[in-house]
Amino acid sequence: DTEVTQTPKHLVMGMTNKKSLKCEQHMGHRAMYWYKQKAKKPPELMFVYSYEKLSINESVPSRFSPECPNSSLLNLHLHALQPEDSALYLCASTPVGANNVLTFGAGSRLTVL
Amino acid sequence: SQQGEEDPQALSIQEGENATMNCSYKTSINNLQWYRQNSGRGLVHLILIRSNEREKHSGRLRVTLDTSKKSSSLLITASRAADTASYFCATAYTGGFKTIFGAGTRLFVKA
Repeated sequence: DTEVTQTPKHLVMGMTNKKSLKCEQHMGHRAMYWYKQKAKKPPELMFVYSYEKLSINESVPSRFSPECPNSSLLNLHLHALQPEDSALYLCASTPVGANNVLTFGAGSRLTVL
Repeated sequence: SQQGEEDPQALSIQEGENATMNCSYKTSINNLQWYRQNSGRGLVHLILIRSNEREKHSGRLRVTLDTSKKSSSLLITASRAADTASYFCATAYTGGFKTIFGAGTRLFVKA
């Protein structure tokens, strides 16, 4: 299995909702990432987990809460988001120490109303 | 910002022509990678060049790296309509997991 699977593909939520984005990989990768991408912009790094521990938080607002329950799963919990948080959220994974070649999921497109 | 610049921002060519995209970065790197993205979907890794390499080939792709100028170029030869996509360079920094993407070049190949 050489895929990163993200669900849902599309999510529409209100500013008072609580929702979660999910990411799963079964490649044995021990580093997992969340990136945020706005239209016509590059992906921006949000969080990195290494061996299920948070190793990088790029000063992301607390309304985004990551979780890595095991080596295959990565969640992004969303609460009290703003319309400007609407974007494509990309999950990626790498083997640790393998030149950081990222395998990306197809993304979850989030719209905040 | 660690992010580099890419140029051109957009490139439109005819099928069969070559496409060249350039990337610059700001700090010392471990390696530089190029990724492709179709229509706002996930990115796909194309090629990686290490900081001690100067040129690398993969099929119709040729990547160069000039660490003295902190720049790289991606050449796609004999382009096809299916090459229409956004192309991003990404730099990985020694000792960490940080992979930072450049601004990207949107390539449009006309059939």
